[in-house]
Amino acid sequence: AQKVTQAQTEISVVEKEDVTLDCVYETRDTTYYLFWYKQPPSGELVFLIRRNSFDEQNEISGRYSWNFQKSTSSFNFTITASQVVDSAVYFCAPDTGRRALTFGSGTRLQVQP
Amino acid sequence: EAGVTQSPTHLIKTRGQQATLRCSPISGHTSVYWYQQALGLGLQFLLWYDEGEERNRGNFPPRFSGRQFPNYSSELNVNALELEDSALYLCASSFGQAGNTIYFGEGSWLTVV
Repeated sequence: AQKVTQAQTEISVVEKEDVTLDCVYETRDTTYYLFWYKQPPSGELVFLIRRNSFDEQNEISGRYSWNFQKSTSSFNFTITASQVVDSAVYFCAPDTGRRALTFGSGTRLQVQP
Repeated sequence: EAGVTQSPTHLIKTRGQQATLRCSPISGHTSVYWYQQALGLGLQFLLWYDEGEERNRGNFPPRFSGRQFPNYSSELNVNALELEDSALYLCASSFGQAGNTIYFGEGSWLTVV
């Protein structure tokens, strides 16, 4: 069974600070996909980024970047120059192809103006 | 382009009744997923449908069932409602191949009284 650990329950930053959200997962599969979603108070899960397990290239997309380390099973997500609108609960979720995303408990990010 | 749409937004039912939730996927998506987000239990995978067939099922009792129609829309039925079924039910969709991004709707809030 898969397991996802998001050790940071809640993070509070001031606007324009950079913030990194940690995610450690467990899986026996050699090929899998990793997702980050955010859930604002409205409840909808908003897709942020996707990474497959056979491509460890780390990328930057606008204010978002991620650091995938297969050797340590970590998939951390960074928001640069945070904004108040970034306030939400952030979820990391691996998928081994059977589409049963295993969500972590989430990290609540509060960005103060 | 329309995202994943769900109805109703809110539903109140009495214990023992049946609830039916509906979902329309993004145009072109053949896979539909259902997740439950209950207070204190986090996001849990319920069901995956693709091309009209149930492909995977989470650890939920048989009174949680659903189907996918020829137009790829889906409905989730919950029979013999229990108080602990009160939750946000999220529907999601994606293209059929593994690893494709899974997009979520805004959810249906089910309250069992």
